[in-house]
Amino acid sequence: DTEVTQTPKHLVMGMTNKKSLKCEQHMGHRAMYWYKQKAKKPPELMFVYSYEKLSINESVPSRFSPECPNSSLLNLHLHALQPEDSALYLCASSQDRGDPRYNEQFFGPGTRLTVL
Amino acid sequence: DQQVKQNSPSLSVQEGRISILNCDYTNSMFDYFLWYKKYPAEGPTFLISISSIKDKNEDGRFTVFLNKSAKHLSLHIVPSQPGDSAVYFCAASGWGGGSEKLVFGKGTKLTVNP
Repeated sequence: DTEVTQTPKHLVMGMTNKKSLKCEQHMGHRAMYWYKQKAKKPPELMFVYSYEKLSINESVPSRFSPECPNSSLLNLHLHALQPEDSALYLCASSQDRGDPRYNEQFFGPGTRLTVL
Repeated sequence: DQQVKQNSPSLSVQEGRISILNCDYTNSMFDYFLWYKKYPAEGPTFLISISSIKDKNEDGRFTVFLNKSAKHLSLHIVPSQPGDSAVYFCAASGWGGGSEKLVFGKGTKLTVNP
C-alpha cells in the first residue's frame, strides 16, 4: 500500500464552525506532514510530526490544531477559520530520519477547503 | 526570500521530443533534491530525486541532473508524452530556513502537444 488517503475531499465551512481533516497512511512511515496550497502556488509546510510528536510548527495560527493519534493517522482540527484560509490542504508522509529516503514525501489527494 | 526558483512558469513541447525543466536554488545547505508532478485537484506525486553526492539520476524516461557549483538542477523527460502534461515542482531539502524541511519552487506547467 503506497497510498496516503485524506477525508473529506471537499469541505465548506462557516467562520464559526469546527471541523476536522483526516489523513491516513499504511506505509509504515513515521513522519507525517500538513501543507497548505493556494492556487498557482507551491505547497507551504504547516506542521511536521515525527514519531507521533510535533517537531515543526511553521508559525501556524492557533485556529489550526494538529493531532497525531497514532503512527498511521494525522488530523487537522479547524476552528474559527477566515475566508483567506480557503485552500487545498495536503497531507504527506515519509520514512523516518534514519532512512536515506526520508525526504521523499508521499502526498495525499488533498482536501479542498472553502471558508465562507 | 525564495530559496528554490523555477523561472519558467510554463513550457510547451511536442510529443516525442525532450522536455527540460529547470530549477535553481540559493541555499548551499540543501543536500537532497526532488521533482514532483501535480495534476489539477490532486496531490503532488513524487517523480525522482537526487542526493548532492551525485550529479545524475535516471529512472526510465526521467533523468535529473545536478550542478552543485551552479546551484542548478534540471529534469529531462524523454520522450515526452501527452500524459506528462502537468505542473512540475522542484523541491530541496536540507538545513534551510532554520530547520530541515522540503522547500518547493513555484512550479512549471508542462504541456505536451500530440
